[in-house]
Amino acid sequence: AQTVTQSQPEMSVQEAETVTLSCTYDTSESNYYLFWYKQPPSRQMILVIRQEAYKQQNATENRFSVNFQKAAKSFSLKISDSQLGDTAMYFCAFMIGWGNYQLIWGAGTKLIIKP
Amino acid sequence: EADIYQTPRYLVIGTGKKITLECSQTMGHDKMYWYQQDPGMELHLIHYSYGVNSTEKGDLSSESTVSRIRTEHFPLTLESARPSHTSQYLCASSESGGTQYFGPGTRLTVL
Repeated sequence: AQTVTQSQPEMSVQEAETVTLSCTYDTSESNYYLFWYKQPPSRQMILVIRQEAYKQQNATENRFSVNFQKAAKSFSLKISDSQLGDTAMYFCAFMIGWGNYQLIWGAGTKLIIKP
Repeated sequence: EADIYQTPRYLVIGTGKKITLECSQTMGHDKMYWYQQDPGMELHLIHYSYGVNSTEKGDLSSESTVSRIRTEHFPLTLESARPSHTSQYLCASSESGGTQYFGPGTRLTVL
């Protein structure tokens, strides 16, 4: 069975610092997708970044980047130059690349950016 | 920007009442999902649909029911609300193999 583990329930950093959120997953599949979602206190879930397992290059979206280590089944999210608006719950999620379109979710990491 | 809507945003209701949570999307996505989420906790899939007239139960057992008569509409119904149903309900949609886009959620409180 596929599982997603986020080992950091809560993190806090100062504004402008860089922070890395960890995510590991377990699967026997070779074709899959990985996601990071953000849920601010207003509670609308928003996609941060997406990575296809067949791509070796790490995905990047502005200040957000991932470190995808396929052999280690690790998918960490790095936030550079953190801003107060980055305060949110961050969820890592996984989806196999065929047939089943359901996301497997991690338990989330609460990130607090301090002024 | 994803266009997926949920109404109402907040609902406080008494035990035993029948309620319907509405979810609509304008993106033409064939796949839609309902999640239950307690504050600050992980998401639990309660229902999903891969197209019109297709509905399935998710991993978390739920007393709710869903229907999918139109592509854009995926309402969730509770026939008799109970305090244990108090939670947030999130609706999402996606294309095949694609990213899920979420609505703003409905915060349900059953007294």
